[in-house]
Amino acid sequence: GDSVTQTEGPVTVSESESLIINCTYSATSIAYPNLFWYVRYPGEGLQLLLKVITAGQKGSSRGFEATYNKETTSFHLQKASVQESDSAVYYCALGGPNSGTYQRFGTGTKLQVVP
Amino acid sequence: NSKVIQTPRYLVKGQGQKAKMRCIPEKGHPVVFWYQQNKNNEFKFLINFQNQEVLQQIDMTEKRFSAECPSNSPCSLEIQSSEAGDSALYLCASSPGHSNERLFFGHGTKLSVL
Repeated sequence: GDSVTQTEGPVTVSESESLIINCTYSATSIAYPNLFWYVRYPGEGLQLLLKVITAGQKGSSRGFEATYNKETTSFHLQKASVQESDSAVYYCALGGPNSGTYQRFGTGTKLQVVP
Repeated sequence: NSKVIQTPRYLVKGQGQKAKMRCIPEKGHPVVFWYQQNKNNEFKFLINFQNQEVLQQIDMTEKRFSAECPSNSPCSLEIQSSEAGDSALYLCASSPGHSNERLFFGHGTKLSVL
């Protein structure tokens, strides 16, 4: 089936250190997958961090980057230097090109950035 | 701040009771999704609508779950006879309806079935 697997948390990183959260996907019924990273900051709702709809492309937002790798079916989230304000839960998601296609989510990775 | 409004934020029910939650999608968004996020943080898609029509629904075979998105009224998700296993965070999301679109989420309704 269609599914997403991501790094199990919690992940603790020191401020200014680099971060990678792994995400791999399986898309058996979606011919042209779209990939997303969502984030839930404390006390807030889930919101989009970045998306990439074309294999081989990179998305970026707020210093985070992720590259859609079709060969390895991966969409890892990276940041060169994290800040305390990045502490949140990050969710990788797999969607399709049609407006009604529901997105499949990973179980989230809780990131704690310590000073 | 999220413009998808879900009410109530918290809902406590006894087993066998009816539980109803509502969602107002972001203005102009014709597509609405309902997800259940359980205590293991697993997302389970429940149903989605385009305007008032059901697009897809999954695993409502128990028939305890029902949902609707009537015109000019909030969307709703109702559990006819709550069970302990229904305790979860219920998330509503809306979308502008174009292809490849992101979802806009509400804060969710946290249901506890005692």
